[in-house]
Amino acid sequence: GQNIDQPTEMTATEGAIVQINCTYQTSGFNGLFWYQQHAGEAPTFLSYNVLDGLEEKGRFSSFLSRSKGYSYLLLKELQMKDSASYLCAVMDSNYQLIWGAGTKLIIKP
Amino acid sequence: DAMVIQNPRYQVTQFGKPVTLSCSQTLNHNVMYWYQQKSSQAPKLLFHYYDKDFNNEADTPDNFQSRRPNTSFCFLDIRSPGLGDAAMYLCATSRASGRGGETQYFGPGTRLLVL
Repeated sequence: GQNIDQPTEMTATEGAIVQINCTYQTSGFNGLFWYQQHAGEAPTFLSYNVLDGLEEKGRFSSFLSRSKGYSYLLLKELQMKDSASYLCAVMDSNYQLIWGAGTKLIIKP
Repeated sequence: DAMVIQNPRYQVTQFGKPVTLSCSQTLNHNVMYWYQQKSSQAPKLLFHYYDKDFNNEADTPDNFQSRRPNTSFCFLDIRSPGLGDAAMYLCATSRASGRGGETQYFGPGTRLLVL
């Protein structure tokens, strides 16, 4: 079966750095997405990786290793507004998105 | 601004009373999706349209139906809502290049409450 694993919840301090990991097992791979979802709102797109390596976009970076079935989202200079759930999703060989359950990130002052 | 719009944002219905949720988009995307998301869970794909071609997920209950009268609009009909259907319903759109990796853009969602 297809599976996406990410931690259920993480806590970090304002101004710090946090890394949210995602491991996946899917039938085929056409890229990995990270979305941010604030409570009661829709997911918003953060990043897309299809090749191995690090993609940097401002305070957020996303890393992919296809051979290890592994990705992480790195958030720097954390702000209170970064408190949200972060969803990892993999596009499989049928171009369907397989979603993780999300990691709830709590930022403390 | 190009966007995905869902109405209403909150919908209250009674057990067994049909309800329709709507989605519209100004992105001119080929593909439209309906997801169901319950608290602290991953979004669950119900079905999607690739242009006018309807694609139902195997485990989507018959209670859920969809219509896409034109490129811009898509509707989710729940024929006889049960208490277990209370959830956030998310509409999303994407282009369809055939090369994969097309980002899905979400509307704000409709939160459905079944009494």
